[in-house]
Amino acid sequence: EVQVVESGGGLVQPGRSLRLSCTASGFSFGDYAMSWFRQAPGKGLEWVGFITSPADGGTIEYAASVKGRFTISRDGSYSIAYLQMSSLKMEDTALYYCTRGHHLVGPWGQGTRVTVSS
Amino acid sequence: DIVMTQSPDSLAVSLGERATINCKSSQSVLDSSINKNYLTWWQQKPGQPPKMLIYWASLRESGVPDRFSGSGSGTDFTLTISSLQAEDVAVYYCQQYYSTPQTFGQGTRLEIK
Repeated sequence: EVQVVESGGGLVQPGRSLRLSCTASGFSFGDYAMSWFRQAPGKGLEWVGFITSPADGGTIEYAASVKGRFTISRDGSYSIAYLQMSSLKMEDTALYYCTRGHHLVGPWGQGTRVTVSS
Repeated sequence: DIVMTQSPDSLAVSLGERATINCKSSQSVLDSSINKNYLTWWQQKPGQPPKMLIYWASLRESGVPDRFSGSGSGTDFTLTISSLQAEDVAVYYCQQYYSTPQTFGQGTRLEIK
């Protein structure tokens, strides 16, 4: 079964950093891009960014709202994708999801909650 | 960025009746070279992640009941639920993956009348 599980969320002060992990199973991780999305409380879905597979160059793209503050990476040895978040703002408070793929995406994990508050 | 606009924002339909949700993109999401529309419909129930219903605008994801159908091309798309069931209460989103950044509609909340 294809599955992704997010972890690493929590409560963090504005300006601080946090790293989220996305552990994948049930598919050949190295063959797929991985994407991150988020959903602020009571709001809609927002694309955060993606990293393509190594065979596709490992290209990384970010939403304008996080570019320069967030960094996506991947570790094929452990089938994990990461979202390193720095200079966090209150508006980054959301449930963060990772998914397989970067055009057609899915399945989604249950998400990990990030709360940015002093 | 491509702006996706759904209508209506909320919808109440009686059990067994048809529900229709519209999605309009600010520019075409059709790749005419392959005749595919880069448009997905998602269903999100409370406390759950989104679930794919329709991809390439009209292809039903495996396991999705056939009462769900997608149509449209270019900039105008529709999700139709032919006979509403109680378990269809959810928020529905359209999403374009034609260009980066991928963008979603604001969501349509579907309830039982």
